[in-house]
Amino acid sequence: AQSVAQPEDQVNVAEGNPLTVKCTYSVSGNPYLFWYVQYPNRGLQFLLKYITGDNLVKGSYGFEAEFNKSQTSFHLKKPSALVSDSALYFCAVRAHSSNTGKLIFGQGTTLQVKP
Amino acid sequence: DSGVTQTPKHLITATGQRVTLRCSPRSGDLSVYWYQQSLDQGLQFLIQYYNGEERAKGNILERFSAQQFPDLHSELNLSSLELGDSALYFCASSRTVDYNSPLHFGNGTRLTVT
Repeated sequence: AQSVAQPEDQVNVAEGNPLTVKCTYSVSGNPYLFWYVQYPNRGLQFLLKYITGDNLVKGSYGFEAEFNKSQTSFHLKKPSALVSDSALYFCAVRAHSSNTGKLIFGQGTTLQVKP
Repeated sequence: DSGVTQTPKHLITATGQRVTLRCSPRSGDLSVYWYQQSLDQGLQFLIQYYNGEERAKGNILERFSAQQFPDLHSELNLSSLELGDSALYFCASSRTVDYNSPLHFGNGTRLTVT
């Protein structure tokens, strides 16, 4: 069965500092990995995805994520955090063998960026 | 704006009642997914439709049902409502079921059961 773990309920960083939001996954076969962000009272917005190729994936709003197959991780990163990045972040996985397209989501990590 | 439209935005109803949530996918998207978001359960996949047919089923209760119509909009029906059904219900859509295709989410319907 597919699963995603986000080990931190909350991450606190100061504005201008680098940020990392952690994600590990479990899936049979090749994984397809996604990050989404949710602002209060809004739906989830797609940030970036890893399908194949380079392990470092660049996405929207200056975010990037690093895929590590040996550690089964897909951590979200940003070199310099903004207060406006404060939101709820979800990692999600889809198995290569999946013929449904559904995504399995982690529990979410709240990112708090302080001025 | 994701292009996915969900109505209503808010719904307050009593236990034992039945409600219908509506979703219009992005133009051109054939697949619709329903998710439930609650504080204790996180984001749970309920059910998926592709081009009018059920494609995958997740943790959907028997009291819940859904369908996708020929114009591709979808409805999620929740009946015999319980307090624990209070949650944010999201609809998402994708162009295909291809692994490369991200899901695009609506802003959700917040259901409160009193």
